[in-house]
This record gives sequence, C-alpha cells and structure tokens, in this order.
Amino acid sequence: GNSVTQMEGPVTLSEEAFLTINCTYTATGYPSLFWYVQYPGEGLQLLLKATKADDKGSNKGFEATYRKETTSFHLEKGSVQVSDSAVYFCALSDHPGGGNKLTFGTGTQLKVEL
Amino acid sequence: EAGVTQSPTHLIKTRGQQATLRCSPISGHTSVYWYQQALGLGLQFLLWYDEGEERNRGNFPPRFSGRQFPNYSSELNVNALELEDSALYLCASSLGQKNTEAFFGQGTRLTVV
Repeated sequence: GNSVTQMEGPVTLSEEAFLTINCTYTATGYPSLFWYVQYPGEGLQLLLKATKADDKGSNKGFEATYRKETTSFHLEKGSVQVSDSAVYFCALSDHPGGGNKLTFGTGTQLKVEL
Repeated sequence: EAGVTQSPTHLIKTRGQQATLRCSPISGHTSVYWYQQALGLGLQFLLWYDEGEERNRGNFPPRFSGRQFPNYSSELNVNALELEDSALYLCASSLGQKNTEAFFGQGTRLTVV
C-alpha cells in the first residue's frame, strides 16, 4: 500500500535559518505529492503540490521537487520566519488527477525562534 | 467565497452516545472527504463521497458512517462512541474525482468522556 515517511520533529530553528524537512514515499502508481501546513488550532492548508516527476512546487518561499528516482519530496525554505512555526504534513494521492484519498505522513512540527 | 465549513467546532459526548458532524463544501465542489486526526496517530482517511455516493472508505469500523446530500454537504456519524474516538475530524472538498487539490475545513474537535 501507499505510505509517506517524514522526519521526526520538532525542528527548532532560528529566524532566517535554512529549512529542510525530508519526505519519502511508497506508492504503486504515479502519485501526486503535496505539502500541507497546519497552524495552531486550525485545519490544513495546502502549501504546494507537484503532480509528476521533476515538477517543482513552490509557494510563500517554500519549494519541493518531485524526485521519482529517490521517491522523495523534501520541503525547503531559504530563510524561515517566526510566522512559519506550524506542523507540516507531506502527503500523496495516487488517483489520476489526485481526487482520491490522501495518505499523510505523521507531520513535522517546526518552531522558529527569534 | 466561503471555504469548507464544519459544525460544530467542538463536541463533547459520553461514551456509548452517537455523534453527528457536518460539513459544507466549497460551492461547486462535489467531492467530500473525512479524516480523523487523533493524538499520536496522525491523519487517517475515513470516507470519501462524490456525487452522493461513497467512493472509498478507510480502515475504520462500521460504526463510522456518513452520507452526502444532494447539495453535496456531508454528515459523519459515529455510533457507540469510545474514548479513543476523541480526535479532530477534518473535512475536505475538491472539484471532483480528478481534481488535484483538496481544501480543508477547520475541523470538529470531538471529545468523548
């Protein structure tokens, strides 16, 4: 079956530090890949997505590249801010077009300090 | 445009009771998904409805059930509540089966005492 593995948290960084959150996946087909963010007390927000190999998703300074050869979709940001503190979830959807259920990683909590 | 709305925001029930959670998708969206976010278990897929039909179901017992109405809103029912059903229940909607993006609501926090 499908699965997503994320690095354990929490990750604590100083403001303006470089961020990498690792994500690898296992899927039988050709999944679409997503990063969602959950701020305290809120639901999930889509941060970025990639639907095929070598696609790069980007939003709000965050980037992730769909690497089929390494089955990875690592999240990166060059300079984090305190406002980026949240829980980040990597997810995949294996339905063509992504309309089917999402399989999530366990989430990585990011804390950014001044 | 309104996003995905869920009600109630919080719900407290006693073990053995039934809980009903509601979700209104974004206007024009026909697919609704339900997820459970329990402490220590991450986000688990519960149910997927599209065009009024149940399309997929996660690994949950039959006491978790739901339906989708003609206006595409959805209801999740949990019967014979157990303490471990305490969780944040998230609803998401998308334009249809082939759409890549699901939009999430704020969730209903269910507490079983």
